[in-house]
Amino acid sequence: SAVISQKPSRDICQRGTSLTIQCQVDSQVTMMFWYRQQPGQSLTLIATANQGSEATYESGFVIDKFPISRPNLTFSTLTVSNMSPEDSSIYLCSVELLTDTQYFGPGTRLTVL
Amino acid sequence: GENVEQHPSTLSVQEGDSAVIKCTYSDSASNYFPWYKQELGKRPQLIIDIRSNVGEKKDQRIAVTLNKTAKHFSLHITETQPEDSAVYFCAASGGGSQGNLIFGKGTKLSVKP
Repeated sequence: SAVISQKPSRDICQRGTSLTIQCQVDSQVTMMFWYRQQPGQSLTLIATANQGSEATYESGFVIDKFPISRPNLTFSTLTVSNMSPEDSSIYLCSVELLTDTQYFGPGTRLTVL
Repeated sequence: GENVEQHPSTLSVQEGDSAVIKCTYSDSASNYFPWYKQELGKRPQLIIDIRSNVGEKKDQRIAVTLNKTAKHFSLHITETQPEDSAVYFCAASGGGSQGNLIFGKGTKLSVKP
């Protein structure tokens, strides 16, 4: 297994601002992902964070709104830009340790006022 | 793309009874099916998974069955305990998009002592 951490664990932000969420894993992993979990809902994949190249976004998510960085094999950031109350969610990173097998970070609970 | 349906949305059982949660998927190319347990305020935890070359897998009180022909898979929990109370998510992966997990909407399981 691996230790996956996220910062911050929670934040309350004003609309129109941006927040950057960090994900750190204690071993090198090839695949890292970012998910969104809206209150009381399931998990939706935002994008795959690719090391050394642009992230791969899922339908409905765009780079201008959710820019992602992946500078190395243990770290990634997700920025939620120009936030609105509809962006209030839990944002989770995950890493793939074995083929297809994903483990999640503790999540970042974001509230936008 | 892949679509995963999960039933029931809520399930209440008496302690000691069995619980069964069912999922269907649409993409016949999917070949990996994990189950996650999410307790309130916690991250999703992988509890069991199955690959398409296997029909059944067991781990103590939990088991997963897969019917590739019918494109459905199920989670079975025997001898339920109050600590099994949580939201359970099924997911499917490995179809058209490598590594992408598509989640069901979740089942809230309540085990009454």
